[in-house]
Amino acid sequence: QKEVEQNSGPLSVPEGAIASLNCTYSDRGSQSFFWYRQYSGKSPELIMFIYSNGDKEDGRFTAQLNKASQYVSLLIRDSQPSDSATYLCALGGGYQKVTFGTGTKLQVIP
Amino acid sequence: ETGVTQSPTHLIKTRGQQVTLRCSSQSGHNTVSWYQQALGQGPQFIFQYYREEENGRGNFPPRFSGLQFPNYSSELNVNALELDDSALYLCASSFSGGVYEQYFGPGTRLTVT
Repeated sequence: QKEVEQNSGPLSVPEGAIASLNCTYSDRGSQSFFWYRQYSGKSPELIMFIYSNGDKEDGRFTAQLNKASQYVSLLIRDSQPSDSATYLCALGGGYQKVTFGTGTKLQVIP
Repeated sequence: ETGVTQSPTHLIKTRGQQVTLRCSSQSGHNTVSWYQQALGQGPQFIFQYYREEENGRGNFPPRFSGLQFPNYSSELNVNALELDDSALYLCASSFSGGVYEQYFGPGTRLTVT
């Protein structure tokens, strides 16, 4: 089992809709969780981090963490074509090592 | 823009050669991590440097080595390049005293022929 599992997509949503991106992980000891956005040919950009169970909101983005079920999700409200990118789920571990999933490609259709 | 810089932007090397990639961390950050990202994959952790010492390493062979300097900038060295080393190499900086948020530089695209 991979440490971090994401559906590779593409996930297609119409403009203005809610995009829901999901991630499951295997290490129950994981303490920190991150979502990065990566545009094609660019480096990852940190958009959200969450450490406690529950929801964390920042603008149009909401990160949700459920440690008991070992999943973390990212909701993007009012999706825009500029949100089209690959979204990487990542876990923080020892020595600040961050383990990434392979990413979910999101396509927002105008 | 994160304030993390990397050089060079692109690099083409021949199999068997050696390469050095450079990274300057964001102001206020004292930890640098290096990642390798192959096409279509997530970044893979190579190693991390803190206080000029290696502070954790991923599943990469010893021909991948690094340095961190007193100003927290860092180098990644790869010896005996192989074709599979072709990838985007990413440097991320963070502050060890806080939480684990890491901020990436623009990356160096290495092509080995």
